[in-house]
Amino acid sequence: AQTIHQWPVAEIKAVGSPLSLGCTIKGKSSPNLYWYWQATGGTLQQLFYSITVGQVESVVQLNLSASRPKDDQFILSTEKLLLSHSGFYLCAWSPGLGASAETLYFGSGTRLTVL
Amino acid sequence: QQKVQQSPESLSVPEGGMASLNCTSSDRNFQYFWWYRQHSGEGPKALMSIFSDGDKKEGRFTAHLNKASLHVSLHIRDSQPSDSALYFCAASDGTNTGKLTFGDGTVLTVKP
Repeated sequence: AQTIHQWPVAEIKAVGSPLSLGCTIKGKSSPNLYWYWQATGGTLQQLFYSITVGQVESVVQLNLSASRPKDDQFILSTEKLLLSHSGFYLCAWSPGLGASAETLYFGSGTRLTVL
Repeated sequence: QQKVQQSPESLSVPEGGMASLNCTSSDRNFQYFWWYRQHSGEGPKALMSIFSDGDKKEGRFTAHLNKASLHVSLHIRDSQPSDSALYFCAASDGTNTGKLTFGDGTVLTVKP
């Protein structure tokens, strides 16, 4: 069975400080990987997606960056946090089989508070 | 205008009752729909997908899709307190980028 693990569970950071969030998927080779952002109680907004190692596409510009250093790992980062970065960050994967529509499977998320 | 609109914003039903959630898309490119459920503090979990007109039933959950009107609904029969959560409708135009467009969600409360 596939498992997805996000770290850390929660972060409290100061404005202007750097950030790195991580996500690891086990039990599935070459998945499509995604980062989503969710305001408290709000809708989900896709930030980045990756269909292969080393290749990441940006969907929205939020002064964030993402990288996929390994097939099973996805990293979200920024050098300078803004207050607007606060929220719930969710990593997700899909099978990447080239189907017209694939279900996304989400991790348990990282709660980020920027002060 | 948001491309995926959900109604109602919140819904309260008694335990054992029927909950009905609605979703309408304003983009005719959306052909694929999902319902996700999110409990507080957790990531969303896919309940079911529906890609063809008509009904799709999985246990207590039934989804209905009408592509002509771009309307999809979710009906939960015999609602349980554990069904209390935020429910999202999500839609895709079929490109393989996982770019699901989510609605704003419906908060369902099932009262014992």
